[in-house]
Amino acid sequence: GAGVSQSPRYKVAKRGQDVALRCDPISGHVSLFWYQQALGQGPEFLTYFQNEAQLDKSGLPSDRFFAERPEGSVSTLKIQRTQQEDSAVYLCASSLAQGKESPLHFGNGTRLTVT
Amino acid sequence: GNSVTQMEGPVTLSEEAFLTINCTYTATGYPSLFWYVQYPGEGLQLLLKATKADDKGSNKGFEATYRKETTSFHLEKGSVQVSDSAVYFCAVTGANSKLTFGKGITLSVRP
Repeated sequence: GAGVSQSPRYKVAKRGQDVALRCDPISGHVSLFWYQQALGQGPEFLTYFQNEAQLDKSGLPSDRFFAERPEGSVSTLKIQRTQQEDSAVYLCASSLAQGKESPLHFGNGTRLTVT
Repeated sequence: GNSVTQMEGPVTLSEEAFLTINCTYTATGYPSLFWYVQYPGEGLQLLLKATKADDKGSNKGFEATYRKETTSFHLEKGSVQVSDSAVYFCAVTGANSKLTFGKGITLSVRP
């Protein structure tokens, strides 16, 4: 497809379970971002990749959160031992180049509900 | 770090009314400014952008001007339509495309 694809669209996890969220960026896009969007709030930055290198992970809320992009394309965001406060929409975005003028293209997100 | 402040919502307007959504930012250096829109059931989409001072971004009848002296990027539209009902996010970015978003504002347009 032409856009950023995220799966699953919805995920329900019991507290304490591990989850893995997948992002397929637009082909050829160098930069990839993960954001967390709580209900009624704007997206909050989690982490950033340029190709396979994770250049910024300052937004990851705890060491339970881990992201990877081993081949510089598909990325996975993993959350270990999920907590209720992890419930949110997780957004992935990609851009063609690094730089402040390069707009981000967002996927539809994965809505995570931790019960 | 960068930050964005948007006016409080929600906003409800009648069709063909004039729209202004305020946005101010703090950022170092020479940021780019964006408005993103999220229609019901859809993902975030870029609405318009401006990359330097005094630039005007425009799309779908919406406009916003990058005002460095007032650190603002207010969104305007002369005549809103029901189809403009959505959540609007102002955002600022720095050197590595990392976006910082405002909280968003919900716009509802009545027929």
